[in-house]
Amino acid sequence: DADVTQTPRNRITKTGKRIMLECSQTKGHDRMYWYRQDPGLGLRLIYYSFDVKDINKGEISDGYSVSRQAQAKFSLSLESAIPNQTALYFCATSDLSGNYGYTFGSGTRLTVV
Amino acid sequence: AQSVAQPEDQVNVAEGNPLTVKCTYSVSGNPYLFWYVQYPNRGLQFLLKYITGDNLVKGSYGFEAEFNKSQTSFHLKKPSALVSDSALYFCAVRDYGGSQGNLIFGKGTKLSVKP
Repeated sequence: DADVTQTPRNRITKTGKRIMLECSQTKGHDRMYWYRQDPGLGLRLIYYSFDVKDINKGEISDGYSVSRQAQAKFSLSLESAIPNQTALYFCATSDLSGNYGYTFGSGTRLTVV
Repeated sequence: AQSVAQPEDQVNVAEGNPLTVKCTYSVSGNPYLFWYVQYPNRGLQFLLKYITGDNLVKGSYGFEAEFNKSQTSFHLKKPSALVSDSALYFCAVRDYGGSQGNLIFGKGTKLSVKP
């Protein structure tokens, strides 16, 4: 099993719908992250969490919300999806120090029509 | 503010030739630097990191990176490119600012290795 698992792998949804992307990890890491990837823009941080009670906004949090249900689970929600949220979304984890880099999930490709 | 730059959107190399993917950084403290690779339809995979010590860091798949403090660079290198090295490469630096150690990623460089 993968260390960081994202579901679903692909999703097509309609404008205005609420959608949740899920991430679970078996690394035992405290830190979890959500990024979106767009061509030419690299990775942009949406939200990050250092533990269940510590949630922080990243550079592009508008239109998104998150929930850290447990140390191992971190979900991303789009409350009312819009077409410019079409992107590849990645979950990542790291230890508390952050000194040793991240472990990434395989990504969720989201298309909003 | 901490930042990382990858000046080339794309690098084209012939198979068997050496390759270099460039990265420069700006940090307020000692740099923690990383390279990741993304193959099509896959997540990012860790290649190598520099925290301290030898300026030449060896990583996965035959890649290495050279840390140069005076030039604030951390270029990724491989002596002999393979077609299978074709992928998207990201440089990252640890942030010392308000995000408490999050990684800041460059925009990525697409490496294309032709037979």
